[in-house]
Amino acid sequence: GQNIDQPTEMTATEGAIVQINCTYQTSGFNGLFWYQQHAGEAPTFLSYNVLDGLEEKGRFSSFLSRSKGYSYLLLKELQMKDSASYLCAGMDSNYQLIWGAGTKLIIKP
Amino acid sequence: GAVVSQHPSWVICKSGTSVKIECRSLDFQATTMFWYRQFPKQSLMLMATSNEGSKATYEQGVEKDKFLINHASLTLSTLTVTSAHPEDSSFYICSASVGEPGELFFGEGSRLTVL
Repeated sequence: GQNIDQPTEMTATEGAIVQINCTYQTSGFNGLFWYQQHAGEAPTFLSYNVLDGLEEKGRFSSFLSRSKGYSYLLLKELQMKDSASYLCAGMDSNYQLIWGAGTKLIIKP
Repeated sequence: GAVVSQHPSWVICKSGTSVKIECRSLDFQATTMFWYRQFPKQSLMLMATSNEGSKATYEQGVEKDKFLINHASLTLSTLTVTSAHPEDSSFYICSASVGEPGELFFGEGSRLTVL
């Protein structure tokens, strides 16, 4: 079966760094996506990895290891506005997104 | 980035009535749009894939006669929840893909409460 696993909740301190992990099992693989979703709002696209390695975009970076079925989202210099849920989604061979349940990130001052 | 607009943002209705939710791509043409439902503290559940000019493709377990999808133009898809019941209360979100598959742009979402 297809499955996306990520922690339910994480807490971090403003200004610090946090890493949100995601493991995936999909039928075929066409990429791994990260989305940010603030409470009561729709998700917004953060990153897309299809090759192994680290992709950096400002304070956010995303890493992929296809051999391990593993990805992480790294958030640096955390700000209070980063408090949100972070959704990991894998794309299968039919280009369907398989969504994780999301990791709720709580930022404390 | 591409803009997807969804309307209404909030809707409260009585049990047994029908509710229509619109999803528009404002600055691009979307041949395919996706409709999701999200219950509190749960992930997005894909309901159906809406294709312009043809019938929608529904996910397993989603009743196509209850959740009517019409993709009449390249910029508009509608979801109609027919004979809504309290268990249909949820956050409904549409999205469209531009460029890379999976790089989805989402509408603002529509929160439906059925009394």
